[in-house]
Amino acid sequence: RKEVEQDPGPFNVPEGATVAFNCTYSNSASQSFFWYRQDCRKEPKLLMSVYSSGNEDGRFTAQLNRASQYISLLIRDSKLSDSATYLCVVNLYTGGFKTIFGAGTRLFVKA
Amino acid sequence: GAGVSQTPSNKVTEKGKYVELRCDPISGHTALYWYRQSLGQGPEFLIYFQGTGAADDSGLPNDRFFAVRPEGSVSTLKIQRTERGDSAVYLCASAETPGGEQFFGPGTRLTVL
Repeated sequence: RKEVEQDPGPFNVPEGATVAFNCTYSNSASQSFFWYRQDCRKEPKLLMSVYSSGNEDGRFTAQLNRASQYISLLIRDSKLSDSATYLCVVNLYTGGFKTIFGAGTRLFVKA
Repeated sequence: GAGVSQTPSNKVTEKGKYVELRCDPISGHTALYWYRQSLGQGPEFLIYFQGTGAADDSGLPNDRFFAVRPEGSVSTLKIQRTERGDSAVYLCASAETPGGEQFFGPGTRLTVL
């Protein structure tokens, strides 16, 4: 089983749709959680940190469920510019911090 | 301010050669990470430095791979006896605090012929 698993995608949605990304992690020692966005042939960029209390930034909402070891990202009113790969990221404390990325879910938003 | 920089942006080498990839993190960031990314995959963790020391090198695939950060700033990833399977984009990231938000460089695209 992979340490971090995401929906395989791709997701094809029309502009204005709401889209949800799911992610599960296997190591209960996981300490911190993030969603990153990666455009084609570019480096990953931080989208949001994820907290147990949930957090929202404009059209984006992230949730963490530690008991279920599950992370989600919701995008409302999707825009063409949201088209990218969304990466779920988990930090494990191993004496240092080891960072595990999911394989990513590709999103295509169509006009 | 300046972000994370990586050089070279592209490197083409022949099988069996030695390569060095450089990462210059954001000033003041104590944590530095190296990753390798293949097409269609997420970044794969290689090694994490806290200051000058490698706090976790469990992701290095074998002893051909080695990384240093002698003064706690710039880091170099060294690959000996390169193989075609080493071809990938090598990403570097830095963070202000361990486990915190990471900022990525543009990557070095390594091609081993």
